[in-house]
Amino acid sequence: QSALTQPASVSGSPGQSITISCTGTSSDVGSYNLVSWYQQHPGKAPKLMIYEGSKRPSGVSNRFSGSKSGNTASLTISGLQAEDEADYYCCSYAGSSTYVVFGGGTKLTVL
Amino acid sequence: EVQLVQSGAEVKKPGESLKISCKGSGYSFTSYWIGWVRQMPGKGLEWMGIIYPGDSDTRYSPSFQGQVTISADKSISTAYLQWSSLKASDTAMYYCARSGVGESFDYWGQGTLVTVSS
Repeated sequence: QSALTQPASVSGSPGQSITISCTGTSSDVGSYNLVSWYQQHPGKAPKLMIYEGSKRPSGVSNRFSGSKSGNTASLTISGLQAEDEADYYCCSYAGSSTYVVFGGGTKLTVL
Repeated sequence: EVQLVQSGAEVKKPGESLKISCKGSGYSFTSYWIGWVRQMPGKGLEWMGIIYPGDSDTRYSPSFQGQVTISADKSISTAYLQWSSLKASDTAMYYCARSGVGESFDYWGQGTLVTVSS
């Protein structure tokens, strides 16, 4: 099972919006509405930001939103803040035998 | 409060065995899958495998099948990840995480750093 494809890096200025893409296949992203997104700051454990494609856990800012079209999922962060600078990973369910597959990660830089 | 607390950092030599742990609290340990995720230095997250402590049903990523063993002791709410013969390439941070709604990992342990060096 290959990793999901994410851009290596994205950047934006404070207040702007950015979108991170996550491209899979018809065996994972395209087949299930079970994409999750994680934020990881240096030296810290990942944190769940989006689940089931577009739902936010309690406590996660509504500046974070998720969507999906075909085999590609996306994470959008609006009103960029300095604290958003981190690595972001997507993850998709891929069936009962494979279970899940992660994306390669995207480094977000807030300029 | 849901918590996953992992065992401490380990320094091992190639060929040695190792078992690291992940203790859950604040929820019904037997009702949620627990997964293990590897993060090699400077690299991304890799899913290794997952276990359902209720009946010890276990699934492995093809990349890790046969390389590690995942187990759980539900009597002490603890999941384990073990190696029988470590390699230098096993040097990484290892995270356990609870699989919640929508197969997402909603709670994570703090990570266990494993260093394998001669």
